[in-house]
Amino acid sequence: KQEVTQIPAALSVPEGENLVLNCSFTDSAIYNLQWFRQDPGKGLTSLLLIQSSQREQTSGRLNASLDKSSGRSTLYIAASQPGDSATYLCAGTLNDMRFGAGTRLTVKP
Amino acid sequence: DTEVTQTPKHLVMGMTNKKSLKCEQHMGHRAMYWYKQKAKKPPELMFVYSYEKLSINESVPSRFSPECPNSSLLNLHLHALQPEDSALYLCASSPRDLGAYEQYFGPGTRLTVT
Repeated sequence: KQEVTQIPAALSVPEGENLVLNCSFTDSAIYNLQWFRQDPGKGLTSLLLIQSSQREQTSGRLNASLDKSSGRSTLYIAASQPGDSATYLCAGTLNDMRFGAGTRLTVKP
Repeated sequence: DTEVTQTPKHLVMGMTNKKSLKCEQHMGHRAMYWYKQKAKKPPELMFVYSYEKLSINESVPSRFSPECPNSSLLNLHLHALQPEDSALYLCASSPRDLGAYEQYFGPGTRLTVT
């Protein structure tokens, strides 16, 4: 079965810093890779969806890349803000959607 | 309208109770999902409905009973739950079943079993 891993598990950065969150998956045949944000006790907010035929997607300060051959995706956050503090989850879809354990991001003012 | 709604937001129930969780979307999506999320863990898929028919059951105990009365509504009926079933229950929808489609999630129902 598809395994999804996220590194690091937690990350703390000062405001304004650019940062990269990593996601790796075991099956390169995935249909898509989706990045989500989750605030404590809340549901998931979809940030970016990358189809298997795409290499990257951008939305505002967020850029996500996908390299199927190496089984990796990255989420780049530019000019981080305290409001970006949340848990970020990646999920790969093949026969079903498999989530990584998430990266808990804290952006300090 | 790109919203998935879930009711109730919070639910406390005893082990002998029967309750239901409700999920609704009006985006015309034909696939709907139930996920269970324990604290500090990622969501785990429970059920998938495609065109109102159950297409995936991830070996979920029978005390959880899903129902899809129409293309906009998804219910999860709960009976004789255990304290370890306490979790955040998330509903999601997508235009079609899995594949290359984006999933939209609701805010979840926080369930506590006493």
